[in-house]
Amino acid sequence: DSGVTQTPKHLITATGQRVTLRCSPRSGDLSVYWYQQSLDQGLQFLIQYYNGEERAKGNILERFSAQQFPDLHSELNLSSLELGDSALYFCASSAGGGLANNEQFFGPGTRLTVL
Amino acid sequence: AQKVTQAQTEISVVEKEDVTLDCVYETRDTTYYLFWYKQPPSGELVFLIRRNSFDEQNEISGRYSWNFQKSTSSFNFTITASQVVDSAVYFCALYNAGKSTFGDGTTLTVKP
Repeated sequence: DSGVTQTPKHLITATGQRVTLRCSPRSGDLSVYWYQQSLDQGLQFLIQYYNGEERAKGNILERFSAQQFPDLHSELNLSSLELGDSALYFCASSAGGGLANNEQFFGPGTRLTVL
Repeated sequence: AQKVTQAQTEISVVEKEDVTLDCVYETRDTTYYLFWYKQPPSGELVFLIRRNSFDEQNEISGRYSWNFQKSTSSFNFTITASQVVDSAVYFCALYNAGKSTFGDGTTLTVKP
């Protein structure tokens, strides 16, 4: 158990809908990272938050947004969903602001299926 | 642009064999970090190792070893005396300026 929790584990929805994925980092970790793993795109970095502020942005679509709250949990919002958004979404956390000197711990992922 | 290539899509070995997973990367930056991650059948990603671009020293951790060669832009991963529990998908990644770029992964199957 990495200490990173993600809810829900599975999510099935329809095209055009909006969903919210939630991540709670390990106790004491200030950074949260979001990743998407799909058959088409492979594993992609989406976005990182550090202590409530956006720190780095990867291949995140404009239809997607994220935020980190004062209690350090994070939410990833996906809107106007398309079939191609079906993927496993991982959250990870680290103590510091980046991966140069910090170990990263991953959550179990949320499996999103868009029908 | 950054790119990571794991040319081996799938590898199958018999237990106790040694196996090397290849990773070749492309970047124009002089400062970067290389990672290996393991994704077992359970699906959760596990960090294995980080190496910075200024440290070409090879590393050994138990049955795992990593060979970093800047001259060939490679960061290969060797498992010695493989075990069934090593069966997983292994990802190599390049990290720089806050962003990670992943290879497509190599699926390793270790048969008893």
